[in-house]
Amino acid sequence: DADVTQTPRNRITKTGKRIMLECSQTKGHDRMYWYRQDPGLGLRLIYYSFDVKDINKGEISDGYSVSRQAQAKFSLSLESAIPNQTALYFCATSDSTSAPEQYFGPGTRLTVT
Amino acid sequence: EDQVTQSPEALRLQEGESSSLNCSYTVSGLRGLFWYRQDPGKGPEFLFTLYSAGEEKEKERLKATLTKKESFLHITAPKPEDSATYLCAVRANTGFQKLVFGTGTRLLVSP
Repeated sequence: DADVTQTPRNRITKTGKRIMLECSQTKGHDRMYWYRQDPGLGLRLIYYSFDVKDINKGEISDGYSVSRQAQAKFSLSLESAIPNQTALYFCATSDSTSAPEQYFGPGTRLTVT
Repeated sequence: EDQVTQSPEALRLQEGESSSLNCSYTVSGLRGLFWYRQDPGKGPEFLFTLYSAGEEKEKERLKATLTKKESFLHITAPKPEDSATYLCAVRANTGFQKLVFGTGTRLLVSP
Protein backbone atom coordinates (compact mmCIF):
# COMPACT_ATOMS: atom_id res chain seq x y z
CA ASP A 1 0.00 0.00 0.00
CA ALA A 2 1.11 3.56 -0.70
CA ASP A 3 2.62 5.49 2.22
CA VAL A 4 0.79 8.72 1.30
CA THR A 5 -2.70 8.46 -0.14
CA GLN A 6 -4.99 11.14 -1.51
CA THR A 7 -8.70 11.08 -2.21
CA PRO A 8 -10.28 11.70 -4.60
CA ARG A 9 -7.77 11.20 -7.41
CA ASN A 10 -9.87 13.15 -9.87
CA ARG A 11 -12.66 15.63 -9.27
CA ILE A 12 -14.72 17.88 -11.48
CA THR A 13 -16.78 20.52 -9.71
CA LYS A 14 -18.64 23.69 -10.50
CA THR A 15 -17.81 27.26 -9.59
CA GLY A 16 -19.00 28.14 -6.10
CA LYS A 17 -19.08 24.59 -4.76
CA ARG A 18 -17.28 23.57 -1.60
CA ILE A 19 -14.84 20.73 -2.01
CA MET A 20 -12.53 18.81 0.30
CA LEU A 21 -9.40 16.93 -0.65
CA GLU A 22 -8.10 14.38 1.82
CA CYS A 23 -4.65 13.07 2.60
CA SER A 24 -3.62 10.16 4.80
CA GLN A 25 -0.16 8.83 5.55
CA THR A 26 1.25 5.70 7.15
CA LYS A 27 4.86 6.93 7.27
CA GLY A 28 4.56 8.11 10.87
CA HIS A 29 5.74 11.58 9.87
CA ASP A 30 4.74 14.58 11.94
CA ARG A 31 4.84 17.24 9.22
CA MET A 32 2.37 17.49 6.38
CA TYR A 33 2.01 19.87 3.43
CA TRP A 34 -0.38 20.80 0.64
CA TYR A 35 0.94 21.97 -2.74
CA ARG A 36 -0.61 22.83 -6.05
CA GLN A 37 1.10 22.31 -9.39
CA ASP A 38 0.33 24.33 -12.48
CA PRO A 39 2.04 24.03 -15.87
CA GLY A 40 5.02 26.37 -16.05
CA LEU A 41 4.74 27.43 -12.40
CA GLY A 42 6.06 24.44 -10.55
CA LEU A 43 4.94 23.29 -7.13
CA ARG A 44 3.68 26.01 -4.79
CA LEU A 45 2.99 25.61 -1.09
CA ILE A 46 -0.59 26.23 0.08
CA TYR A 47 -0.52 25.23 3.76
CA TYR A 48 1.70 23.24 6.08
CA SER A 49 1.33 21.65 9.50
CA PHE A 50 4.13 20.66 11.87
CA ASP A 51 1.83 18.78 14.23
CA VAL A 52 -1.86 18.38 14.99
CA LYS A 53 -2.10 21.75 16.74
CA ASP A 54 0.06 23.67 14.27
CA ILE A 55 -1.28 25.09 10.99
CA ASN A 56 0.56 27.63 8.85
CA LYS A 57 -0.17 29.47 5.63
CA GLY A 58 2.06 28.93 2.65
CA GLU A 59 2.64 31.27 -0.26
CA ILE A 60 -0.79 30.84 -1.91
CA SER A 61 -3.32 30.18 0.89
CA ASP A 62 -6.06 32.58 -0.24
CA GLY A 63 -9.26 30.67 -1.07
CA TYR A 64 -8.12 27.54 0.79
CA SER A 65 -8.41 26.19 4.33
CA VAL A 66 -7.04 23.08 6.00
CA SER A 67 -7.72 20.77 8.90
CA ARG A 68 -5.28 18.42 10.63
CA GLN A 69 -7.62 15.82 12.08
CA ALA A 70 -4.87 13.54 13.36
CA GLN A 71 -1.15 13.13 12.90
CA ALA A 72 -1.85 10.96 9.86
CA LYS A 73 -4.63 13.03 8.27
CA PHE A 74 -4.54 16.46 6.65
CA SER A 75 -7.39 17.78 4.52
CA LEU A 76 -7.59 20.75 2.17
CA SER A 77 -10.85 22.61 1.53
CA LEU A 78 -11.87 25.01 -1.17
CA GLU A 79 -14.74 26.93 0.38
CA SER A 80 -16.07 28.31 -2.89
CA ALA A 81 -14.24 26.87 -5.87
CA ILE A 82 -13.28 29.09 -8.78
CA PRO A 83 -11.91 28.10 -12.23
CA ASN A 84 -8.37 29.32 -11.53
CA GLN A 85 -8.15 26.71 -8.77
CA THR A 86 -8.08 24.08 -11.49
CA ALA A 87 -4.75 22.33 -10.88
CA LEU A 88 -2.98 19.22 -9.61
CA TYR A 89 -2.93 19.10 -5.82
CA PHE A 90 -0.33 17.17 -3.88
CA CYS A 91 -0.02 16.26 -0.24
CA ALA A 92 3.46 15.66 1.17
CA THR A 93 4.96 14.56 4.47
CA SER A 94 8.30 14.83 6.23
CA ASP A 95 9.84 13.77 9.51
CA SER A 96 11.19 16.52 11.76
CA THR A 97 13.49 14.05 13.56
CA SER A 98 15.34 12.81 10.50
CA ALA A 99 16.18 13.90 6.96
CA PRO A 100 14.26 16.90 5.58
CA GLU A 101 13.12 15.47 2.27
CA GLN A 102 9.39 15.45 1.64
CA TYR A 103 7.43 12.48 0.34
CA PHE A 104 4.51 13.10 -1.96
CA GLY A 105 1.16 11.48 -2.52
CA PRO A 106 -0.16 10.56 -5.98
CA GLY A 107 -2.07 13.81 -6.41
CA THR A 108 -5.62 14.96 -7.05
CA ARG A 109 -6.54 16.43 -10.41
CA LEU A 110 -9.16 19.09 -9.73
CA THR A 111 -11.16 20.79 -12.47
CA VAL A 112 -13.45 23.69 -11.64
CA THR A 113 -15.91 24.53 -14.43
CA GLU B 1 14.15 35.89 -2.68
CA ASP B 2 15.01 32.20 -2.97
CA GLN B 3 14.86 31.04 -6.54
CA VAL B 4 15.46 27.88 -8.57
CA THR B 5 15.91 27.78 -12.35
CA GLN B 6 16.12 24.53 -14.27
CA SER B 7 17.43 24.05 -17.78
CA PRO B 8 16.71 22.94 -20.34
CA GLU B 9 12.92 22.92 -20.11
CA ALA B 10 12.81 19.82 -22.26
CA LEU B 11 15.44 17.37 -23.45
CA ARG B 12 15.18 14.57 -25.96
CA LEU B 13 17.86 11.87 -25.94
CA GLN B 14 18.46 8.66 -27.77
CA GLU B 15 18.82 5.57 -25.62
CA GLY B 16 22.43 5.41 -24.43
CA GLU B 17 23.11 9.10 -25.09
CA SER B 18 24.41 10.58 -21.82
CA SER B 19 23.60 14.16 -20.81
CA SER B 20 23.14 16.50 -17.87
CA LEU B 21 20.29 18.55 -16.45
CA ASN B 22 21.03 21.84 -14.71
CA CYS B 23 19.55 23.42 -11.58
CA SER B 24 20.75 26.93 -10.75
CA TYR B 25 19.75 28.41 -7.43
CA THR B 26 19.94 31.54 -5.32
CA VAL B 27 19.16 31.01 -1.68
CA SER B 28 19.94 32.65 1.62
CA GLY B 29 21.88 29.85 3.24
CA LEU B 30 21.40 26.45 1.60
CA ARG B 31 20.08 23.75 3.89
CA GLY B 32 19.67 21.11 1.24
CA LEU B 33 19.13 20.69 -2.48
CA PHE B 34 16.68 17.99 -3.53
CA TRP B 35 16.11 16.12 -6.77
CA TYR B 36 12.79 14.49 -7.56
CA ARG B 37 11.48 12.47 -10.49
CA GLN B 38 7.86 12.95 -11.57
CA ASP B 39 6.04 10.69 -13.99
CA PRO B 40 2.92 11.99 -15.77
CA GLY B 41 -0.10 12.02 -13.49
CA LYS B 42 1.92 10.98 -10.44
CA GLY B 43 3.46 12.64 -7.44
CA PRO B 44 7.14 13.58 -7.29
CA GLU B 45 9.40 10.73 -6.21
CA PHE B 46 12.38 11.63 -4.04
CA LEU B 47 15.80 10.87 -5.54
CA PHE B 48 18.62 12.70 -3.74
CA THR B 49 19.51 15.30 -1.14
CA LEU B 50 22.77 17.25 -1.39
CA TYR B 51 23.99 19.55 1.36
CA SER B 52 27.38 21.00 0.50
CA ALA B 53 29.46 21.95 -2.52
CA GLY B 54 31.44 19.02 -3.86
CA GLU B 55 28.95 16.44 -2.64
CA GLU B 56 27.82 13.74 -5.07
CA LYS B 57 25.08 11.10 -4.88
CA GLU B 58 24.43 8.21 -7.28
CA LYS B 59 21.53 5.92 -8.01
CA GLU B 60 21.63 3.55 -10.95
CA ARG B 61 22.18 5.72 -14.07
CA LEU B 62 21.74 9.01 -12.19
CA LYS B 63 24.41 11.07 -10.46
CA ALA B 64 23.72 14.38 -8.76
CA THR B 65 26.45 16.92 -8.03
CA LEU B 66 26.44 20.25 -6.21
CA THR B 67 28.40 23.49 -6.44
CA LYS B 68 27.81 26.77 -4.63
CA LYS B 69 25.51 28.04 -7.37
CA GLU B 70 24.12 25.01 -9.18
CA SER B 71 23.48 21.32 -9.24
CA PHE B 72 23.70 18.88 -12.10
CA LEU B 73 21.83 15.66 -12.62
CA HIS B 74 23.96 13.51 -14.88
CA ILE B 75 22.22 10.70 -16.73
CA THR B 76 24.55 8.02 -18.04
CA ALA B 77 23.43 5.74 -20.87
CA PRO B 78 19.74 6.52 -20.32
CA LYS B 79 16.96 4.08 -21.06
CA PRO B 80 13.38 4.85 -22.16
CA GLU B 81 12.19 4.19 -18.61
CA ASP B 82 14.20 7.21 -17.47
CA SER B 83 11.74 9.42 -19.33
CA ALA B 84 10.09 11.73 -16.78
CA THR B 85 10.15 15.27 -15.48
CA TYR B 86 13.01 15.93 -13.09
CA LEU B 87 12.41 18.55 -10.41
CA CYS B 88 14.96 20.39 -8.33
CA ALA B 89 14.16 22.09 -5.02
CA VAL B 90 16.13 23.99 -2.38
CA ARG B 91 15.61 24.53 1.33
CA ALA B 92 16.84 27.82 2.70
CA ASN B 93 18.12 28.74 6.11
CA THR B 94 14.81 30.18 7.24
CA GLY B 95 14.19 27.89 10.18
CA PHE B 96 11.39 26.16 8.32
CA GLN B 97 11.37 23.23 5.94
CA LYS B 98 9.92 25.15 3.02
CA LEU B 99 11.06 23.79 -0.31
CA VAL B 100 11.32 26.12 -3.30
CA PHE B 101 10.86 24.16 -6.52
CA GLY B 102 12.01 24.76 -10.05
CA THR B 103 9.66 24.13 -12.94
CA GLY B 104 11.45 20.97 -14.00
CA THR B 105 13.12 19.44 -17.03
CA ARG B 106 11.01 17.09 -19.16
CA LEU B 107 13.24 14.26 -20.33
CA LEU B 108 12.26 11.97 -23.19
CA VAL B 109 14.51 9.02 -24.01
CA SER B 110 13.79 7.35 -27.31
CA PRO B 111 14.71 3.71 -28.02
